[in-house]
Amino acid sequence: TAGITQAPTSQILAAGRSMTLRCTQDMRHNAMYWYRQDLGLGLRLIHYSNTAGTTGKGEVPDGYSVSRANTDDFPLTLASAVPSQTSVYFCASSPGTHTGELFFGEGSRLTVL
Amino acid sequence: GQNIDQPTEMTATEGAIVQINCTYQTSGFNGLFWYQQHAGEAPTFLSYNVLDGLEEKGRFSSFLSRSKGYSYLLLKELQMKDSASYLCAVMDSNYQLIWGAGTKLIIKP
Repeated sequence: TAGITQAPTSQILAAGRSMTLRCTQDMRHNAMYWYRQDLGLGLRLIHYSNTAGTTGKGEVPDGYSVSRANTDDFPLTLASAVPSQTSVYFCASSPGTHTGELFFGEGSRLTVL
Repeated sequence: GQNIDQPTEMTATEGAIVQINCTYQTSGFNGLFWYQQHAGEAPTFLSYNVLDGLEEKGRFSSFLSRSKGYSYLLLKELQMKDSASYLCAVMDSNYQLIWGAGTKLIIKP
């Protein structure tokens, strides 16, 4: 079972360029999340979606956008990348919004130069 | 503000027992979660506490005291494969997860 798949695994991006990180799950989970993980900090929520067709802002949404056209896909877009967006990005899903048991993708390491 | 505190790094010996502490201050409480994250990999769910007391799951146990805002993860019979970061997270009144920075556990033979 694939679970939750992210692409690309890693990417180097020039500042000012746009980039979309892809996330697909096959568990039919309603809720999906994008986190960034930086050294010395806890996971920080960027955007979330409680169900297909809805999205919400997390703790650090600036510079990022998401869409949830269907249950399975939850892409994260950086419209104009900046060096401070260098991070490891994790997509996660859960069956519902009131559970803290999340299933994570393997992560996308993004470097913005 | 909301805050989760856990030690940055701990070292323990193979076969021994280690306790990783987590203290929290959050707006409301809807459960405390522990995750394991090996270097370069995704976090994976370990345990969940919503009531006071100890939850045991094989070699791993997790304890919660809501009145003290305190939890610990206890790992017994340590194995080299337990070398990882352990993340503490609390679900607040809005059902948002607040994450600690993680505790890197180093196991020595």
